[in-house]
Amino acid sequence: GQQVQQSPASLVLQEGENAELQCNFSSTATQLQWFYQRPGGSLVSLLYNPSGTKHTGRLTSTTVTKERRSSLHISSSQITDSGTYFCAMAQGTGSKLSFGKGAKLTVSP
Amino acid sequence: DAGVTQTPRHEVAEKGQTIILKCEPVSGHNDLFWYRQTKIQGLELLSYFRSKSLMEDGGAFKDRFKAEMLNSSFSTLKIQPTEPKDSAVYLCASSFGAETLYFGSGTRLTVL
Repeated sequence: GQQVQQSPASLVLQEGENAELQCNFSSTATQLQWFYQRPGGSLVSLLYNPSGTKHTGRLTSTTVTKERRSSLHISSSQITDSGTYFCAMAQGTGSKLSFGKGAKLTVSP
Repeated sequence: DAGVTQTPRHEVAEKGQTIILKCEPVSGHNDLFWYRQTKIQGLELLSYFRSKSLMEDGGAFKDRFKAEMLNSSFSTLKIQPTEPKDSAVYLCASSFGAETLYFGSGTRLTVL
């Protein structure tokens, strides 16, 4: 099946620092999404980015389809960015999304 | 528009009981997913419907887990009989085609 590997598994930053999260997958992705989950909360889609670079606010995702990888860059991190970030991919339309194990981000004052 | 609605938010069951979790997808969405989330296994797909047709039933979860979609605006996930290892957060999500996935708040199931 599809494998999604995320790194690092956890990251601790001070407020204002930038975060870089990586996602590697075992097969070519036609769908790629990044999600955020606050502790005890549900998942919220941050970016849908199957290829290229996309921005929203302080978030930038770059997906290199041929290299089977995607990254999520969070600039000027804030305490409220703390939580777990998931990468999810699917191969082909009409396919299920497979999720990585998540990257836990902790931003301290 | 309302998001994905899941009920109940919490469920406590005795081992061997039957429980039914409910989900209302975002209006107009034609894809519906049931996921289970645990700290150890992460997010695991239980079922996937497209336009009410079951596309995937989650393989290993076939035995005691059954998801149904009686109409485009309502789905249920039945676990029968429950076992303590089923304790987890059950998440329902919907999307339109291959676009952004929207998740509900989840049902936290505890099986004693």
